[in-house]
Amino acid sequence: ETGVTQTPRHLVMGMTNKKSLKCEQHLGHNAMYWYKQSAKKPLELMFVYSLEERVENNSVPSRFSPECPNSSHLFLHLHTLQPEDSALYLCASSQEPTSRVYEQYFGPGTRLTVT
Amino acid sequence: GESVGLHLPTLSVQEGDNSIINCAYSNSASDYFIWYKQESGKGPQFIIDIRSNMDKRQGQRVTVLLNKTVKHLSLQIAATQPGDSAVYFCAERGTDKLIFGTGTRLQVFP
Repeated sequence: ETGVTQTPRHLVMGMTNKKSLKCEQHLGHNAMYWYKQSAKKPLELMFVYSLEERVENNSVPSRFSPECPNSSHLFLHLHTLQPEDSALYLCASSQEPTSRVYEQYFGPGTRLTVT
Repeated sequence: GESVGLHLPTLSVQEGDNSIINCAYSNSASDYFIWYKQESGKGPQFIIDIRSNMDKRQGQRVTVLLNKTVKHLSLQIAATQPGDSAVYFCAERGTDKLIFGTGTRLQVFP
């Protein structure tokens, strides 16, 4: 495996379900990110982990719960979601800090549909 | 607040022509910009970046131009190919995070 991988690629869940999204990076990076991508909206940063410590939480509802057990793995635990949470969830990683210049490597995303 | 926007949601070009995708940003203090390409079913992929102390940077078939006076960024793709069909995002380095635009869809027709 190379780059950033995400599983599952597609997920359909009811509003009362609990599920988890998984992200794994094989790049030796020390920072990982969760983004939400909705139709016709910019990418929305949800969470940032740097050196396995959460450094940012952009006012994300508590029904989204991230977990970063080590620098290579990132999870997004989902429970009691709403239909408006249906979107593409993207994971990314980067090497921080690299002066003030960096690039993020994205996974393919998980297409989530909440019914 | 900080914001990054794109002038055109969809751009259609003929194969072999040059493409120009534009982006406006609002934070004059931003010092770093990135262009990403997102193909259908995939995550965004880094294309090229530019620092604010530069006006132009060239890659393989791509050129990014930065006009700080009008806070405008553009991506030029030379000899556009069918494989260039995708959504293109600009991103601005804000306060320790990237701020993305909504994206422009590039369609290449024969």
